[in-house]
Amino acid sequence: LAKTTQPISMDSYEGQEVNITCSHNNIATNDYITWYQQFPSQGPRFIIQGYKTKVTNEVASLFIPADRKSSTLSLPRVSLSDTAVYYCLVGPGNTPLVFGKGTRLSVIA
Amino acid sequence: EPEVTQTPSHQVTQMGQEVILRCVPISNHLYFYWYRQILGQKVEFLVSFYNNEISEKSEIFDDQFSVERPDGSNFTLKIRSTKLEDSAMYFCASSERQGVDSPLHFGNGTRLTVT
Repeated sequence: LAKTTQPISMDSYEGQEVNITCSHNNIATNDYITWYQQFPSQGPRFIIQGYKTKVTNEVASLFIPADRKSSTLSLPRVSLSDTAVYYCLVGPGNTPLVFGKGTRLSVIA
Repeated sequence: EPEVTQTPSHQVTQMGQEVILRCVPISNHLYFYWYRQILGQKVEFLVSFYNNEISEKSEIFDDQFSVERPDGSNFTLKIRSTKLEDSAMYFCASSERQGVDSPLHFGNGTRLTVT
């Protein structure tokens, strides 16, 4: 499985756009990039997934450059309720998810 | 939106006792999983289950652990003789199928405390 590297933590003020970048230099051709969010005392929750270019849903956008060696999760106009740990996972989808330490996002009023 | 439900939310047990953690996956899902998260640490894969048998398991999932789908709705994790180091949040998850277009849906976990 491709190893991922994310910042350990980030702080942001409410209303700001937050971009969390994940490095995955040894991503394989059949790997997808998936992001999960985890609030305290809750299970992880799927946010978004992509293979290349840009994907957008009602929660976030995912930007993937052509070489696919990194990806950026973009959260528009964050609120206090977006305070959570965000995990970047890379894999072909037919193997169990392997979670790293994630990025702890703290949104400040 | 359909949810994965887990019971109990918190279980306290003494070392050496057996515990059963229960999960009701989303009804049309076919793949089931258990993960655990020790306080302050990563979410770790334990086991996946499909078609009434284990598909994959991690090194953590030793002979003390077992899983079962006793009926059409429940999915259980049993720890035969709990140890202090089994204290963790245990998350059940399910997915409709296996593949990148079928994300895992997690429950809110059972906090297991072994004393």
